[in-house]
Amino acid sequence: DVKVTQSSRYLVKRTGEKVFLECVQDMDHENMFWYRQDPGLGLRLIYFSYDVKMKEKGDIPEGYSVSREKKERFSLILESASTNQTSMYLCATDGQNSPLHFGNGTRLTVT
Amino acid sequence: RKEVEQDPGPFNVPEGATVAFNCTYSNSASQSFFWYRQDCRKEPKLLMSVYSSGNEDGRFTAQLNKASQYVSLLIRDSQPSDSATYLCVVNINNAGNMLTFGGGTRLMVKP
Repeated sequence: DVKVTQSSRYLVKRTGEKVFLECVQDMDHENMFWYRQDPGLGLRLIYFSYDVKMKEKGDIPEGYSVSREKKERFSLILESASTNQTSMYLCATDGQNSPLHFGNGTRLTVT
Repeated sequence: RKEVEQDPGPFNVPEGATVAFNCTYSNSASQSFFWYRQDCRKEPKLLMSVYSSGNEDGRFTAQLNKASQYVSLLIRDSQPSDSATYLCVVNINNAGNMLTFGGGTRLMVKP
């Protein structure tokens, strides 16, 4: 069974702080994704990666960056957190013949 | 117009009722379709893929109408444990980065 682990379940940060959200998957999948989910807006893709050291912008990359130094780990970085980045962040992975599986999410509050 | 549209609900039904959700999508090139289930404050989980011939999994039946560009989910003999938000997911190709999520339909099944 696919396991996607996000390092924090709840996180509270202050405006201007640098924030790291970590995600690890154990299925040796090439593809990894970061989404955010907001009421009324649904799930929106921030960034994705198809391979180590590779990254592509999703629909809403502004204010975020990512890092993929190892295949199993995909990090989302908020360089300078702002209150409009308060959201639920979901990491996901998929592979050939394997549908998208999500981590259990990180609920980030920026005050 | 949203790319994937769902009635947000909530659908409040008594236990044992049959309930149907529809989802419409705008991109006629869409190739893959899924229903995900999301419990409150949890991550989305794959409920079922939707095949062009329609498919059934126990009390759940999914249908696809490509000509009219809609996807449906039917739940028979609904149970309180079915209470959740159901997300319609559409994929333009077979890459995870082209997944588009509907906003979800909330279902409440009362005992």
